[in-house]
Amino acid sequence: ELKVEQNPLFLSMQEGKNYTIYCNYSTTSDRLYWYRQDPGKSLESLFVLLSNGAVKQEGRLMASLDTKARLSTLHITAAVHDLSATYFCAVTSNAGGTSYGKLTFGQGTILTVHP
Amino acid sequence: DTAVSQTPKYLVTQMGNDKSIKCEQNLGHDTMYWYKQDSKKFLKIMFSYNNKELIINETVPNRFSPKSPDKAHLNLHINSLELGDSAVYFCASSQVFGMGHTDTQYFGPGTRLTVL
Repeated sequence: ELKVEQNPLFLSMQEGKNYTIYCNYSTTSDRLYWYRQDPGKSLESLFVLLSNGAVKQEGRLMASLDTKARLSTLHITAAVHDLSATYFCAVTSNAGGTSYGKLTFGQGTILTVHP
Repeated sequence: DTAVSQTPKYLVTQMGNDKSIKCEQNLGHDTMYWYKQDSKKFLKIMFSYNNKELIINETVPNRFSPKSPDKAHLNLHINSLELGDSAVYFCASSQVFGMGHTDTQYFGPGTRLTVL
């Protein structure tokens, strides 16, 4: 069974600092996704990583994927208060059949950015 | 235009009642999903439908019954509601291709269900 683990689960940062959220998964996967969720809101897609070595950047967020290590990172550069949210990674299995389109989520990382 | 919409946004009801949540997507996707987010924010898939056909049916009590009248709609009916059913239910949709690989899944706004 595919398992996805994020760490840390809680992250309190000062504005202007850098930090990284880690996402480990247990079996071979073909795609990894990062989502953002604001309190009481829906999930917003941030990145889709498709292959080993993939790197994507949007503003102060950069995501990377190492399929050999089964690890993705979400790096935050010079954090600002607006980045405060819960960040989820999610993975799909390579298997078809009953795993068809199935996303398995990590536990989420609650990020709080303080002035 | 709203891509994935759900109704109602909030649902407060008594134990033992039956309730339904509706979902619609206008993205032209062929696959729709129901996810449950518990009080600890953990997200777990419940069901998925591809072109009105049930594909994923996780270990969900059979009090939960999804129905897809067409590929743009996926409803969730819950019988005999229990306290443990309180959660946020998200609908999502995506395009699935090849051997079941999903493109990005787009989520609806969620339905917060509270069972008293």
